[in-house]
Amino acid sequence: GNSVTQMEGPVTLSEEAFLTINCTYTATGYPSLFWYVQYPGEGLQLLLKATKADDKGSNKGFEATYRKETTSFHLEKGSVQVSDSAVYFCALMKAAGNKLTFGGGTRVLVKP
Amino acid sequence: NAGVTQTPKFRILKIGQSMTLQCTQDMNHNYMYWYRQDPGMGLKLIYYSVGAGITDKGEVPNGYNVSRSTTEDFPLRLELAAPSQTSVYFCASSTYREVSNQPQHFGDGTRLSIL
Repeated sequence: GNSVTQMEGPVTLSEEAFLTINCTYTATGYPSLFWYVQYPGEGLQLLLKATKADDKGSNKGFEATYRKETTSFHLEKGSVQVSDSAVYFCALMKAAGNKLTFGGGTRVLVKP
Repeated sequence: NAGVTQTPKFRILKIGQSMTLQCTQDMNHNYMYWYRQDPGMGLKLIYYSVGAGITDKGEVPNGYNVSRSTTEDFPLRLELAAPSQTSVYFCASSTYREVSNQPQHFGDGTRLSIL
């Protein structure tokens, strides 16, 4: 079956540090890949997505590249801010029912 | 723009009680979903619907029921609440396209405690 594995947190960083959150997936065919972010007390919001190999999704300074050869979709940001403190979820989607399979989430805490 | 609206935001139930979690969306989305999020865990799909009158089980459907009588509404029912159902419940919706890249839009969640 489909699965998503992402690095466990929490990840604690200082402001302006570089952030990487690793995400790898297992799926047949060519799933679409997503990063969602969950701020404290809120629902999930789409951060970025990629739908085919070598696509790069980007938003709010975050980037992730769909790597078919390594089945990965790592999230990066060059300079984090305190407002980036949140839980980040990697997810994949296959066609049937547009269902998402989520990773376990990575909590990121950015300190001033 | 309301998006996906869930009610209530918080609820405490006693073991054996029943309740319905409400979810409504105003984006005319065909697809709707219910997830649960346990502490420190990712989201697990409970039920989903591809349109009015059509529902199907997700990964963890036991102890829950759903219905989809309209495009807008997708209530989730707990018939006999158990402590294992203590969780945060999220409703989501998405539009239909032939390719599977349509993002899901989430509500703010319902925090449910069973005591």
